[in-house]
Amino acid sequence: GAGVSQSPSNKVTEKGKDVELRCDPISGHTALYWYRQSLGQGLEFLIYFQGNSAPDKSGLPSDRFSAERTGGSVSTLTIQRTQQEDSAVYLCASSLGGRGVVETQYFGPGTRLLVL
Amino acid sequence: QKEVEQDPGPLSVPEGAIVSLNCTYSNSAFQYFMWYRQYSRKGPELLMYTYSSGNKEDGRFTAQVDKSSKYISLFIRDSQPSDSATYLCAKGGGNSGGYQKVTFGIGTKLQVIP
Repeated sequence: GAGVSQSPSNKVTEKGKDVELRCDPISGHTALYWYRQSLGQGLEFLIYFQGNSAPDKSGLPSDRFSAERTGGSVSTLTIQRTQQEDSAVYLCASSLGGRGVVETQYFGPGTRLLVL
Repeated sequence: QKEVEQDPGPLSVPEGAIVSLNCTYSNSAFQYFMWYRQYSRKGPELLMYTYSSGNKEDGRFTAQVDKSSKYISLFIRDSQPSDSATYLCAKGGGNSGGYQKVTFGIGTKLQVIP
């Protein structure tokens, strides 16, 4: 079946511009995660969605970052007024969404963001 | 101190060698440990999953957890060029908002040379 898809695969933008990154999770997965991966930093948790519950935004690095998930499926990560330090690979993952257990997360291929 | 410490490498070995990849973690409350493999320009994929201490074997791969020393290991026997990837250790736990949050190590880049 189809895995997690992300678009665009690459994005080059100028400092100060806003960008939107999209994630389509695996059908039927109610949990969705966003991570940022940069050199020397590893996978950094950004935000978690579970069904209709309030998202866990504890990993968002600043108020320039926001995310939404419409209809419990597609998610969009928005970065406003991009800075050069925002350059990284942004990875989305989804899982079945069983509470209280550690689940296998299925990752998309990522969006490579470069802020000039 | 990061919750999960991992040497980023790179680690270069000849084909057929036994590879040992290691991580340490700082919070003893965690019980779930995972290894993800990430090929270049791809997302990570789950390789192995262990609960608590002990060993788990899957083909050429063995995952080992030593909770007394807070040490996680992945062994690859008869390594192949196709094993060349970045290996991320991860731990689950630290219940947050009703789910088990996963924390990843930085990843060790492995190259198996033919």
